Amino acid sequence: GESVGLHLPTLSVQEGDNSIINCAYSNSASDYFIWYKQESGKGPQFIIDIRSNMDKRQGQRVTVLLNKTVKHLSLQIAATQPGDSAVYFCAENLNAGGTSYGKLTFGQGTILTVHP
Amino acid sequence: EAGVAQSPRYKIIEKRQSVAFWCNPISGHATLYWYQQILGQGPKLLIQFQNNGVVDDSQLPKDRFSAERLKGVDSTLKIQPAKLEDSAVYLCASSLKRVASEQYFGPGTRLTVT
Repeated sequence: GESVGLHLPTLSVQEGDNSIINCAYSNSASDYFIWYKQESGKGPQFIIDIRSNMDKRQGQRVTVLLNKTVKHLSLQIAATQPGDSAVYFCAENLNAGGTSYGKLTFGQGTILTVHP
Repeated sequence: EAGVAQSPRYKIIEKRQSVAFWCNPISGHATLYWYQQILGQGPKLLIQFQNNGVVDDSQLPKDRFSAERLKGVDSTLKIQPAKLEDSAVYLCASSLKRVASEQYFGPGTRLTVT
């Protein structure tokens, strides 16, 4: 399969540990954020999203935190499993209407490796 | 439900040659997106269709890239002529509406230009 992210930040954890992946976004006017997981040879897969009027949202084993003051987003994965190994991207949407609907700008990504 | 289909999965061409990629979105999805993902980077939107009309192609290098979605279903992305820097994975995504959270991605086509 493809090797995405040869120059991306990396995070290595042991199975069962909690993982925290960080992302700095660029546009203070972005009002919607998404975390994606991308496994080798596959397209990005939606994990969780958050709107700018929230600072925290929880899903199954995942939590997203948003700090608009410093334009920072984080993804926390509880009890990380080997199947969580992948590249994780944050993406932002500037909801300025018109052509901005559905338009996503992706961050650089982080490689997560989970060791059994 | 079948996912987004793309073909070919891999393509190797020489610079200055032409290449075309095909995408079949999820049935009923009106919005279709093409992204370029260069190794080590996140996907970058090239073009967005709503049915068979172009909504946004501001980041499409129009001197060499073209895309069409003639019947509002399948889409093709073409590069002519290809340059070395076009080496990337080309991802197609679709959504029922123009909603960011509802984009489903295909597996991508990996293009290598030599």
